[in-house]
Amino acid sequence: QKEVEQNSGPLSVPEGAIASLNCTYSDRGSQSFFWYRQYSGKSPELIMSIYSNGDQEDGRFTAQLNKASQYVSLLIRDSQPSDSATYLCAVTLFSGGYNKLIFGAGTRLAVHP
Amino acid sequence: GAGVSQTPSNKVTEKGKYVELRCDPISGHTALYWYRQSLGQGPEFLIYFQGTGAADDSGLPNDRFFAVRPEGSVSTLKIQRTERGDSAVYLCASSLTGGGTDTQYFGPGTRLTVL
Repeated sequence: QKEVEQNSGPLSVPEGAIASLNCTYSDRGSQSFFWYRQYSGKSPELIMSIYSNGDQEDGRFTAQLNKASQYVSLLIRDSQPSDSATYLCAVTLFSGGYNKLIFGAGTRLAVHP
Repeated sequence: GAGVSQTPSNKVTEKGKYVELRCDPISGHTALYWYRQSLGQGPEFLIYFQGTGAADDSGLPNDRFFAVRPEGSVSTLKIQRTERGDSAVYLCASSLTGGGTDTQYFGPGTRLTVL
């Protein structure tokens, strides 16, 4: 079992809809959870971080964390074509005396007009 | 500069050659990370520096890979006797302290192609 799992997609949604991206992780000790956006040919860019159970909202983005279910999600409201990218879920794993960041393989989102 | 910079942006080399990839982190960031990203995959951890020392090099695939950060700022990833399987995008990231809630800021990456 991979440490961080994501559906590879593509997830296709119409412009203006809500895009829902999901991620599960295996290490119950994980403390910090991040969503990165990566446009094709570019480097990852942090868009959301969440550290406690519940929802964390920033503009059109909402991150949701459920530690009991080991589940993290990202909701994108009013999706725009410019949101089309790969979304990487990342989780910290305490290993070797520090918190290592482990990435999922990413979910490709396509927002069509 | 304001962000993490990496040079070169692209590197094409022949199998068996030696390459060096450079990373210049955000000023003041003590933590520096190298990742490798293959097509369709997320970044894969290679090595973590805290200051000048490699705190965790468990992600380096074999002894052909080596990295240094002699003055606690710029880091160089060195790959000896390159193989075609080394072709990937090599990403560098830095963070302020390396703590668990730290944000890691990524550089633009170096695309390495081994022919």
